[in-house]
Amino acid sequence: TQLLEQSPQFLSIQEGENLTVYCNSSSVFSSLQWYRQEPGEGPVLLVTVVTGGEVKKLKRLTFQFGDARKDSSLHITAAQTGDTGLYLCAGDGGTSYGKLTFGQGTILTVHP
Amino acid sequence: NAGVTQTPKFQVLKTGQSMTLQCAQDMNHEYMSWYRQDPGMGLRLIHYSVGAGITDQGEVPNGYNVSRSTTEDFPLRLLSAAPSQTSVYFCASSYNPGYEQYFGPGTRLTVT
Repeated sequence: TQLLEQSPQFLSIQEGENLTVYCNSSSVFSSLQWYRQEPGEGPVLLVTVVTGGEVKKLKRLTFQFGDARKDSSLHITAAQTGDTGLYLCAGDGGTSYGKLTFGQGTILTVHP
Repeated sequence: NAGVTQTPKFQVLKTGQSMTLQCAQDMNHEYMSWYRQDPGMGLRLIHYSVGAGITDQGEVPNGYNVSRSTTEDFPLRLLSAAPSQTSVYFCASSYNPGYEQYFGPGTRLTVT
């Protein structure tokens, strides 16, 4: 079974601060996705990273896929209250076709 | 543009009762999946399907059945509800696991 460990589980910061969420595994993934979920709704895709060492930027969000494709990070610069939510990473195992593995999630609260 | 729809949105069952959670998508996606979401545990895969007539077990399949008679529909059956099945259930669809997963709004199930 492929596992994804996300850290931290909870993050409470002030508006304007920077933060990083980590997603780590001992398994190699073909690709890794990051989702954001708001209360009462389903997760929505933020980004997919596919190549080892890949860095993708989405406005104030920077996503990185580790060289060995076993880990990923999400960095938010100058957090805003609208960034509040649950952030989930999810790995596509490739050889385990059909089984997308999710991390436990990081609950981010940004205070004004 | 409906995307992924789930019914019902809320359900309360007594222990031992059975029910079917409905999921439908109108995007002609071959891959569909069911997840349960519990606090601190992210999303756990229950069952998935890579096309009509083809289903397979995920991480936590016990107590649940699925079938896929059409591309559009992927119902999840609870055979004999137990309190441990109290959770929020999400259905998702995509072209394949490595692509963006489109999630439904979820069904909040309570088993007493």
